[in-house]
Amino acid sequence: AQSVTQPDIHITVSEGASLELRCNYSYGATPYLFWYVQSPGQGLQLLLKYFSGDTLVQGIKGFEAEFKRSQSSFNLRKPSVHWSDAAEYFCAVGALAQKLVFGQGTRLTINP
Amino acid sequence: EAGVAQSPRYKIIEKRQSVAFWCNPISGHATLYWYQQILGQGPKLLIQFQNNGVVDDSQLPKDRFSAERLKGVDSTLKIQPAKLEDSAVYLCASREHTGGQSYNEQFFGPGTRLTVL
Repeated sequence: AQSVTQPDIHITVSEGASLELRCNYSYGATPYLFWYVQSPGQGLQLLLKYFSGDTLVQGIKGFEAEFKRSQSSFNLRKPSVHWSDAAEYFCAVGALAQKLVFGQGTRLTINP
Repeated sequence: EAGVAQSPRYKIIEKRQSVAFWCNPISGHATLYWYQQILGQGPKLLIQFQNNGVVDDSQLPKDRFSAERLKGVDSTLKIQPAKLEDSAVYLCASREHTGGQSYNEQFFGPGTRLTVL
């Protein structure tokens, strides 16, 4: 069965610092991978997705993620975070019948 | 383009009471999902509709939860009777349906936060 693990429950970084959020997945076939962001009281917004091709994918708000098949990972990165990036981030794998399986999320706090 | 609409945004009920949530997907989206998001966890799929038919309800607690999408557009999710552990955010999402191997984005509504006392 497919699953997603986000090892870091909570991460704090300073504004302007770089960011990497970790995601590991388990899926028997070629995965469809996603990163979503959820601000307080809001629904989930898609940051980026990987289906095939180039393993480095660019998303909105300056985020990027790299798919590494050998490590079963799809880590999210941003070179310089802004205070508005404070939110909950979810990694997800697309399973059969286009069902999403989510990780438990990583809460990002930004120090001024 | 209007997004996925959900109501109410917040609901507080006593245990053993019933509650219903409503979702209006993006126009033209044939696929509709209901997710349950418990505090500190990622969303978990409860039920998936394709038009007015159920595609997957394997994780829906059918003894107390029910959902319908009678005309293939709006959907309601009901809990009767509610338990304390049902306290969560209930998210609705919709997606265009296409055939083949394409994988379309799911668009999420703002959710309904349910508190069961």
